Amino acid sequence: EAGVTQFPSHSVIEKGQTVTLRCDPISGHDNLYWYRRVMGKEIKFLLHFVKESKQDESGMPNNRFLAERTGGTYSTLKVQPAELEDSGVYFCASSQGLGDTQYFGPGTRLTVL
Amino acid sequence: QKEVEQDPGPLSVPEGAIVSLNCTYSNSAFQYFMWYRQYSRKGPELLMYTYSSGNKEDGRFTAQVDKSSKYISLFIRDSQPSDSATYLCAIKRGGGANSKLTFGKGITLSVRP
Repeated sequence: EAGVTQFPSHSVIEKGQTVTLRCDPISGHDNLYWYRRVMGKEIKFLLHFVKESKQDESGMPNNRFLAERTGGTYSTLKVQPAELEDSGVYFCASSQGLGDTQYFGPGTRLTVL
Repeated sequence: QKEVEQDPGPLSVPEGAIVSLNCTYSNSAFQYFMWYRQYSRKGPELLMYTYSSGNKEDGRFTAQVDKSSKYISLFIRDSQPSDSATYLCAIKRGGGANSKLTFGKGITLSVRP
């Protein structure tokens, strides 16, 4: 069974540009989470989808971040316009049920110059 | 005050040593306790999961939770070079709607052959 996949693995963009990160959860997992790790800090929660609905977006830093999960399958996280402080590793995780184990993808390393 | 604090590292031990990794948390609303292991350029992988005070053992790994002190530990017996990784404690509140994970900063462990 394929695990959580994320694309791209690494993205380097300039300040002001737009970047879209993609996450494909494990097949059949209704719950999808986005987390972020900024250098030197802990991994922090961004938001949680249940199927296509946003269950909790309390961790989204500001309105430059837009997450979607059309059709309840894969999800995208768009950063527009990107700022220097957006640099970090963005992780996606999925779980079958709400209380079930969250399986993490390998992350997308975003560098904003 | 951070919701979860993890002992800083890095930590370097010889092969065969017993390793003790520790975290404290601040809010008794947290009911579920996890240890994740993360190898370089990979996503976090669940290692241990518990929800009650006491010890839980899995092979060479023991997770310990003391809810009265808000203290969680991971012990690794007979450490191996393959245990070299970053270890992250993670906690979660109870209730189905509160499924986001709150992570400690992580500690990098190196086991020397």
